Amino acid sequence: EIVLTQSPATLSLSPGERATLSCRASQSVNNYLAWYQQKPGQAPRLLIFDASNRATGIPARFRGSGSGTDFTLTISSLEPEDFAVYYCQQQLRFTFGPGTKVDIK
Amino acid sequence: EVQLVQSGAEVKKPGESLRISCKGSGYNFTSYWINWVRQMPGKGLEWMGRIDPSDSYNTYSPSFQGHVTISGDKSISTAYLQWSSLKASDTAMYYCARDGAAAGPGWFDTWGQGTLVTVS
Repeated sequence: EIVLTQSPATLSLSPGERATLSCRASQSVNNYLAWYQQKPGQAPRLLIFDASNRATGIPARFRGSGSGTDFTLTISSLEPEDFAVYYCQQQLRFTFGPGTKVDIK
Repeated sequence: EVQLVQSGAEVKKPGESLRISCKGSGYNFTSYWINWVRQMPGKGLEWMGRIDPSDSYNTYSPSFQGHVTISGDKSISTAYLQWSSLKASDTAMYYCARDGAAAGPGWFDTWGQGTLVTVS
């Protein structure tokens, strides 16, 4: 079973700052990794698929990178609506990482 | 507009059975897998399993195999998640999600609004 770990568990930043979120897989998933955003009381929303492709309607400040076992989601300049929990997911067997909460410093 | 609309919240007693639904619209329902995802209170996302609506072939996460059943009715563009005997530990929000890839390793591009199941 492929296990995903995310770091940090919590990221405290201010609007306008850059956020860097990490996701590591226990074995290679090639580039088959997705990222989701979830706000309280809402369903998750797809941000990135196949490691670096933005989903429809996702702003350019969200960028995914990486391959193999190490992946990064970068939010170049945090907007107020970006404070949320972010999950990575490997697309081969669909397991999710535990999430990174981005909260307001 | 591609949409998945789930059935409403449920309150059940331990040992009771339950089936919740997920209805797709705005696209060819039989062309995309439907997945089910659990989120326990205050916790993360867990993939439970999926169904190919074209032929009702399904696969399950080992963690959920034997505990739930995923089925579908393509004539009404609806997928189902059911339990034969609920436990208190089944209390959670359940989401359905469409696999956005027509083939190959997919991603969940459209989500239902969630169905809250409370077992008490």
